[in-house]
Amino acid sequence: KAGVTQTPRYLIKTRGQQVTLSCSPISGHRSVSWYQQTPGQGLQFLFEYFSETQRNKGNFPGRFSGRQFSNSRSEMNVSTLELGDSALYLCASSLAQGQPQHFGDGTRLSIL
Amino acid sequence: QQQVKQSPQSLIVQKGGISIINCAYENTAFDYFPWYQQFPGKGPALLIAIRPDVSEKKEGRFTISFNKSAKQFSLHIMDSQPGDSATYFCAATDQTGANNLFFGTGTRLTVIP
Repeated sequence: KAGVTQTPRYLIKTRGQQVTLSCSPISGHRSVSWYQQTPGQGLQFLFEYFSETQRNKGNFPGRFSGRQFSNSRSEMNVSTLELGDSALYLCASSLAQGQPQHFGDGTRLSIL
Repeated sequence: QQQVKQSPQSLIVQKGGISIINCAYENTAFDYFPWYQQFPGKGPALLIAIRPDVSEKKEGRFTISFNKSAKQFSLHIMDSQPGDSATYFCAATDQTGANNLFFGTGTRLTVIP
């Protein structure tokens, strides 16, 4: 069974641009969560989607948004990029709420 | 405010030794405590998890000990191997509620031959 797939693996953007990251969950998994990982702040929760609805949101500005499609695939968008947005963005999927979360290998976003 | 506190920040253990990583939490609503292992360039991989209705869970060389009254839990890696060298994260969540994981700050484990 394929794991969580995130694309692209690496991305370089400049300040002010916007970016879209993609996540394909494990087959059959309906819940998708996004996390940001940085050396300074560690792993922080961004948001969770289930059945195309955002169910929970972390403490991040409105520049960070996401969506989930009917096939459970999810995208995350960051607008007006700032230098501090440089991070590893991780997607995790689970069968449903209350089930273990399994992570992809992330998208490394660098802002110049 | 860090919801889950993890120590030590780094750990060096001889091959064959026992690695012990400790975590503490404050939120009594947390009901699921997983441990993740992360290698460089990879995402965190679920290693083992425990719920507060048991005090210990063992899977192979990995054991979680859980102390509900102290709000602490720890990971023990028996017979540590160089291949165990990675960063370990404890986490906690309220699965009946928000379900988002709160992570510790990570422990970089190095197992020397």
